[in-house]
Amino acid sequence: SAVISQKPSRDICQRGTSLTIQCQVDSQVTMMFWYRQQPGQSLTLIATANQGSEATYESGFVIDKFPISRPNLTFSTLTVSNMSPEDSSIYLCSADPPRQNTEAFFGQGTRLTVV
Amino acid sequence: AQSVTQPDIHITVSEGASLELRCNYSYGATPYLFWYVQSPGQGLQLLLKYFSGDTLVQGIKGFEAEFKRSQSSFNLRKPSVHWSDAAEYFCAVRGFGNEKLTFGTGTRLTIIP
Repeated sequence: SAVISQKPSRDICQRGTSLTIQCQVDSQVTMMFWYRQQPGQSLTLIATANQGSEATYESGFVIDKFPISRPNLTFSTLTVSNMSPEDSSIYLCSADPPRQNTEAFFGQGTRLTVV
Repeated sequence: AQSVTQPDIHITVSEGASLELRCNYSYGATPYLFWYVQSPGQGLQLLLKYFSGDTLVQGIKGFEAEFKRSQSSFNLRKPSVHWSDAAEYFCAVRGFGNEKLTFGTGTRLTIIP
């Protein structure tokens, strides 16, 4: 199974600033995904990131707020821009399965608090 | 569009008692189904998954789940819970050829002595 390293594991940020979260996979994957988990809530998909193309955003999420990079097949970043307290959440990245009949792999998540 | 419903927001079970967490899905064909567990401050850990074949699947930590197509359900069970099972449990669905996972709202499990 693949291992996903996500950092930082947690951060406390001032409102109006930006934070970039990094996700490193120990093997090449085609697609990576970024999720948000607001306090006490389930996981909501923010966007899907393919290498070499712009990320595809889900309804309610925009590139200006959550720019994503995918420079190669093992790495992706998510930036949370111009943060407000409402952005306080856990952000998780995941990678698509290497084969069809396998599960997605998840990073350990980044716990973000905006003050 | 695919969707998942977990009707129970919070369940409390005595240690040693049996457990069943409910999950209903909506998808036009046979989906891929998953149960994940999230302990406080931790990431997601896969408990078990169903892709095809035997509708009763075994997972880690003594968990099992049964896929019932007629009821569009994939309920999670454990015959005897341990205090360490206290966590948040998420059911998720993915369609064939679609890598997006759709999660249910989760069920928080509390274990009492």
